[in-house]
This record gives sequence, structure tokens and C-alpha cells, in this order.
Amino acid sequence: GENVEQHPSTLSVQEGDSAVIKCTYSDSASNYFPWYKQELGKRPQLIIDIRSNVGEKKDQRIAVTLNKTAKHFSLHITETQPEDSAVYFCAATPSNTGTASKLTFGTGTRLQVTL
Amino acid sequence: GAVVSQHPSRVICKSGTSVKIECRSLDFQATTMFWYRQFPKQSLMLMATSNEGSKATYEQGVEKDKFLINHASLTLSTLTVTSAHPEDSSFYICSANVGGYGYTFGSGTRLTVV
Repeated sequence: GENVEQHPSTLSVQEGDSAVIKCTYSDSASNYFPWYKQELGKRPQLIIDIRSNVGEKKDQRIAVTLNKTAKHFSLHITETQPEDSAVYFCAATPSNTGTASKLTFGTGTRLQVTL
Repeated sequence: GAVVSQHPSRVICKSGTSVKIECRSLDFQATTMFWYRQFPKQSLMLMATSNEGSKATYEQGVEKDKFLINHASLTLSTLTVTSAHPEDSSFYICSANVGGYGYTFGSGTRLTVV
């Protein structure tokens, strides 16, 4: 099955700086890679996603890059703000099985944005 | 958008008792529901995949007789933790694929076994 590794496990940045979180996956059939932000005791919230036919996607301060050959993808947050502090999870799935495609999550990164 | 309603949000039960968690798809039909467990400061680990009208598929290491899953209709999937023990205390969350590449999550259930 799919195995997703995520680094770093914790990340502390100063407000305004950039944060980068990296993930690698093992299943070459995976073709959908979402990123989630989870606050304590809450459900994961989708912040950005990318499909395997795209190498980069950007949404305001958030961007994701994908290297299919190397099987890794990264989340980039620019101009970080205190409200960006949370746990971030990457995930991967071979979504060619439709609604039965299960997500495999990375181990998570606790981001702390300090003033 | 697609919404999954999960109840209860919090439950405290005595060791040895059973607890049922419900996830309902409110505005779409969920033929498949994914059940995750999340221990403190850890990731979401898939426990099982429930399929409407058929048996659930359990991940390796998950006891199917302890975590009973029922998906009797296209809008309701339930997870019952039987004979709960303190080590079952965790955050349980359901998720459904809403078609294409979208996934929606329930709000989660914090289970504490005392």
C-alpha cells in the first residue's frame, strides 16, 4: 500500500517568513495530493491540492509543488501569520478507484509562527 | 457543499461498555465511508472502509470484532467500539469521497474510556 513520509515534524518560523513542508510517497499510482490544516480537536481542512498532471499550484500565500519522478511534493506558505499556526498533513491517493480511493496521510508537521 | 455530520462529538464511557459513533452524509449519497483514528499528536490512521450494503474492509492490525462497522444505507455509516478499554481512547473521524478528488470529513468524536 501507499506510504507517505512528511518532514519536518515541527517547524517554527517568525511571522512574515516562509515555511516549507515536504512529503514523499511510495505508490506511483497515486495521482491526487491534498494538504490539510488541522487545529486541535477539529476536523482536517483542505487548504490546497494538486493532481499528478500539474507540477505546481498556487493560491494566494500557499503553493504546492509536485515532482512525480521523484515522488515528492511540498507545501510552501509565504508571509506566515500567527493564524497559520496549526498541524499540517499531506496525503496521497490513487483516485482511479473513484469513491473507494482511500487517503493515506503523512505524519504531520506542527507549525508555530512566532511574533 | 457535501457535508458529513458526525455524532457524538464527545463521549465518556466506562471500561467494558460499547460506544456507537454515527456519520451521516447530509446532502449526498456516500457509498463508501472511511473511518480514521487519531491519537494525540499523531496522524490520522485509516481503520476501515465501510461500503454500503456489504462488509467493511479493515486495515491490517485492526480488530474487526472490536470495531464493528455498519453501512446500511447510502447516508449512514456507524462505528461501534465494543468492550472499550482505556487504550481505545482516541479521536475518531469519518470521511467520504464526494466524487472526483474531493473528500469531506466529519467533525470527529473524542472518545474517553475510564
